[in-house]
Amino acid sequence: DAMVIQNPRYQVTQFGKPVTLSCSQTLNHNVMYWYQQKSSQAPKLLFHYYDKDFNNEADTPDNFQSRRPNTSFCFLDIRSPGLGDAAMYLCATSSALTSVYEQYFGPGTRLTVT
Amino acid sequence: SQQGEEDPQALSIQEGENATMNCSYKTSINNLQWYRQNSGRGLVHLILIRSNEREKHSGRLRVTLDTSKKSSSLLITASRAADTASYFCATQTSGSRLTFGEGTQLTVNP
Repeated sequence: DAMVIQNPRYQVTQFGKPVTLSCSQTLNHNVMYWYQQKSSQAPKLLFHYYDKDFNNEADTPDNFQSRRPNTSFCFLDIRSPGLGDAAMYLCATSSALTSVYEQYFGPGTRLTVT
Repeated sequence: SQQGEEDPQALSIQEGENATMNCSYKTSINNLQWYRQNSGRGLVHLILIRSNEREKHSGRLRVTLDTSKKSSSLLITASRAADTASYFCATQTSGSRLTFGEGTQLTVNP
């Protein structure tokens, strides 16, 4: 089945230790998104790729970076995680064939910072 | 700030009852979407309504959109315990971004 996969599902990192979260998709969608979601809150868009074009949200901290080496894969790098970065990180994809961007989400990676 | 605001924040009902959640937004939209999120999981797309549509149905779901009031409602009929989840509205204005509301936590008691 076509899907969005996130690895790992749970990640524990130390304060200040770089961490990378990964997302892959078999939907062949050209748009990929990264969201941060804290407990009982709405998902907050960090950035997204439209094909190779990177679109950063104005309020996304510089501590968060992303890479998209090809259509299928996208990575979220947190250079120096702080305690406030503990959250669920959600990857999503959508197709730009129409102007309607229905998003398909992965299961998320729960990040704990110790 | 978030485009969408939802109410109620939490809703608890008995199985078999209907559940209604509301979403308000601030600017003109291309479409409005509803998503469901089970605890600790990703979001699942439920239904989309375009700005030129007023009502849409999908199974037990009914969505309405009032662009003059900048509001939408999601009705789940004959609720089941398995409907327990958080429900988010999301608006698409232009481009490929969605802006999510704060969500409604629905609990359906058996």
